[in-house]
Amino acid sequence: DTAVSQTPKYLVTQMGNDKSIKCEQNLGHDTMYWYKQDSKKFLKIMFSYNNKELIINETVPNRFSPKSPDKAHLNLHINSLELGDSAVYFCASSQLGTSGGYAPSYEQYFGPGTRLTVT
Amino acid sequence: AQSVSQHNHHVILSEAASLELGCNYSYGGTVNLFWYVQYPGQHLQLLLKYFSGDPLVKGIKGFEAEFIKSKFSFNLRKPSVQWSDTAEYFCAVNAPYSSASKIIFGSGTRLSIRP
Repeated sequence: DTAVSQTPKYLVTQMGNDKSIKCEQNLGHDTMYWYKQDSKKFLKIMFSYNNKELIINETVPNRFSPKSPDKAHLNLHINSLELGDSAVYFCASSQLGTSGGYAPSYEQYFGPGTRLTVT
Repeated sequence: AQSVSQHNHHVILSEAASLELGCNYSYGGTVNLFWYVQYPGQHLQLLLKYFSGDPLVKGIKGFEAEFIKSKFSFNLRKPSVQWSDTAEYFCAVNAPYSSASKIIFGSGTRLSIRP
């Protein structure tokens, strides 16, 4: 069973388009994240949701809008795509709280990544 | 705010050589420390972590790391590397009592192993 899954794995699109990336985790974690990894492998956090509430919102253009319909899902919608948005986007999850009988673990479990290419 | 430095950007070794990758962090309080590995074309996987207790932590695939609080360091070691260890290695830090929701990653060290 895949713990953290993302779709699609590859996304090629033209500038100006709007696209979405979906993420789901079946670990029962209460917190989910989106990271952007550029061509130099630098990993930068973009957003984090804890129990469907936004808790981290780094300096990211407002063309990027995360949505968390429930604590097992965190989707990323990107409007008006630009060339500089080309990167690999990773979703991750972790357990921060003790709700549901879980102990905090803080370590993050990553999805397989979505390679976005904007042409 | 905490930060993480990995000074080695690219390390090239021959098989069976010993490995040590440096990681330094800046934060004066309690920290959780991690090493993640990213094999070519794959996602990040946890190698090992330190939360408390014995500062020498053993992880998967023969890796270990030592937390030296006085030096703010958490260096990764392996006595004898294999070609399959070729990957990108990321050190990360989390300050659980200040901002538990955020893990800060270093810039990564690319490890290339010559067969």
